[in-house]
Amino acid sequence: AQSVAQPEDQVNVAEGNPLTVKCTYSVSGNPYLFWYVQYPNRGLQFLLKYITGDNLVKGSYGFEAEFNKSQTSFHLKKPSALVSDSALYFCAVRDRGANAGKSTFGDGTTLTVKP
Amino acid sequence: NAGVTQTPKFQVLKTGQSMTLQCAQDMNHEYMSWYRQDPGMGLRLIHYSVGAGITDQGEVPNGYNVSRSTTEDFPLRLLSAAPSQTSVYFCASSPRLPQETQYFGPGTRLLVL
Repeated sequence: AQSVAQPEDQVNVAEGNPLTVKCTYSVSGNPYLFWYVQYPNRGLQFLLKYITGDNLVKGSYGFEAEFNKSQTSFHLKKPSALVSDSALYFCAVRDRGANAGKSTFGDGTTLTVKP
Repeated sequence: NAGVTQTPKFQVLKTGQSMTLQCAQDMNHEYMSWYRQDPGMGLRLIHYSVGAGITDQGEVPNGYNVSRSTTEDFPLRLLSAAPSQTSVYFCASSPRLPQETQYFGPGTRLLVL
């Protein structure tokens, strides 16, 4: 069975500082990995994904994520945080095999960026 | 393109009542899913469908039914509502290929008294 862990419920950073939101996964075979963001009272919005190839993936709003197969991690990063980045972030994994229609999400990490 | 639409936005039910949460997408996506979101528990998959006429259970299917008679629609039925089903429900769709992004609806907030 596939699973995703986001070890931090909350991440606090000061505006202008770099941010990291952590994600580790467990899946048989090679995964598809995704990051989504949720603003208050809204649905989830796609940020970026890893399919294959370059381990560093660039996405929307200046976010990037690094895929590390040996550590089974897919941490979300941004070099300089903005107050408007404050939101709930979800990491998700999707199987390539028979369960390809099924996604598993982490519990989410609340990012707060303070001015 | 309306994307993924969900109705109603908010609903209050009494224990034991039944209701259907509607979900529709106009992107011709084959994959559709229902999730519930509870504080501290992320999104949990209730049911999903890989195409019209095909549905399967997710992580927390008990108390919910689904059907997929058309590509566009994927309603979620609560047969006999319980307070434990108080949650925010999200519908999502994506193209057939598993590397494709999911598109989420705005959610339905359900309160069961």
